[in-house]
Amino acid sequence: DSGVTQTPKHLITATGQRVTLRCSPRSGDLSVYWYQQSLDQGLQFLIQYYNGEERAKGNILERFSAQQFPDLHSELNLSSLELGDSALYFCASKQGATGELFFGEGSRLTVL
Amino acid sequence: QQQVKQSPQSLIVQKGGISIINCAYENTAFDYFPWYQQFPGKGPALLIAIRPDVSEKKEGRFTISFNKSAKQFSLHIMDSQPGDSATYFCAASMGGGGSNYKLTFGKGTLLTVNP
Repeated sequence: DSGVTQTPKHLITATGQRVTLRCSPRSGDLSVYWYQQSLDQGLQFLIQYYNGEERAKGNILERFSAQQFPDLHSELNLSSLELGDSALYFCASKQGATGELFFGEGSRLTVL
Repeated sequence: QQQVKQSPQSLIVQKGGISIINCAYENTAFDYFPWYQQFPGKGPALLIAIRPDVSEKKEGRFTISFNKSAKQFSLHIMDSQPGDSATYFCAASMGGGGSNYKLTFGKGTLLTVNP
């Protein structure tokens, strides 16, 4: 158990809908990272937050947004969903400037 | 643009054999090279990592070999066991793994170790 908690584990929805994925980082970890894992693209970095502030952006679509709250949990919002958004979405956390990145078990999103 | 290329896509090894997975990178600014192990239904977990100031790092049965001039690094698993069967990802990042880094992953290698 990495200590990173993601909910929901599985989510099935329809095209055009909006979903929210939630991540609770390890206790004391200030950085939260979101990754998308699909068969064809592999693991793609989406966005990073550090202590509530956005720090880095990767290949995140404009239909996607994220935020990190004062209690350090983070949410990834996916809107106007398309079939191609079906993937595993991972959250990871890290404590500070150095150290290991810990991944949660992911949220599997299926868009029908 | 794929900045980290990983091969092979899949690998089958007999128990006790050596598993070798290779990665090549393009961005010379990368300075942190971790390997992650992922079991089905789980998130990736850090296995071993190396920085470019050394050419090799060993932790138990796992060794990273790093060739800075060739921009290549590889994972060697000695005495491979069925419990090593998993997907392995190489990755690279800038900033020495600091708080603002983002990992660029290879596409993964599915390793199967037959008993």
